[in-house]
Amino acid sequence: GQQVMQIPQYQHVQEGEDFTTYCNSSTTLSNIQWYKQRPGGHPVFLIQLVKSGEVKKQKRLTFQFGEAKKNSSLHITATQTTDVGTYFCAGPTVKAAGNKLTFGGGTRVLVKP
Amino acid sequence: EAQVTQNPRYLITVTGKKLTVTCSQNMNHEYMSWYRQDPGLGLRQIYYSMNVEVTDKGDVPEGYKVSRKEKRNFPLILESPSPNQTSLYFCATKPQGFMNTEAFFGQGTRLTVV
Repeated sequence: GQQVMQIPQYQHVQEGEDFTTYCNSSTTLSNIQWYKQRPGGHPVFLIQLVKSGEVKKQKRLTFQFGEAKKNSSLHITATQTTDVGTYFCAGPTVKAAGNKLTFGGGTRVLVKP
Repeated sequence: EAQVTQNPRYLITVTGKKLTVTCSQNMNHEYMSWYRQDPGLGLRQIYYSMNVEVTDKGDVPEGYKVSRKEKRNFPLILESPSPNQTSLYFCATKPQGFMNTEAFFGQGTRLTVV
């Protein structure tokens, strides 16, 4: 079945620095979603990418969908303590009964002040 | 306010004692699902429901049951919990099963089985 993998699993970042987390799917995706889960919280939708090569920005966050639609990345510039949390990517698996979201393992981001 | 409400938020139970985790949504969504979250494994789908009386297995359904008698409710039932079901559980909804739209998650239920 479809697999979605994220690297790194953990990311320790100095406040103010940039970092990137990567998401790779074993199959071509029709779209990819990103979620953020704050410590002790629940996943919250950030963004959805649909087109090959698409790039979207949300303030300091830049999301990219690969040309082959099998990978995606999230780049955060000038990391702040508010960026702490786990970031998940998720791709749909089309089934006969509904589109299931397959989540990656997540990248847990820790920020050093 | 649009909400997905899970109860309880925390539960410690003993092996073999049946329990139910409830999930309720007020968004009139047709699609509801249950995930479990374990370190390094992300979110894995347990069961999902396309609509009332329509449910199907996800990736890790063993040891779980669900029912969808009403559109707003989707309880998760553990008939005989075991320690390997200790996990963080999330209920998630979206408007329709075939729509590629965002999923809305409940606050989570942290279950410990001893």
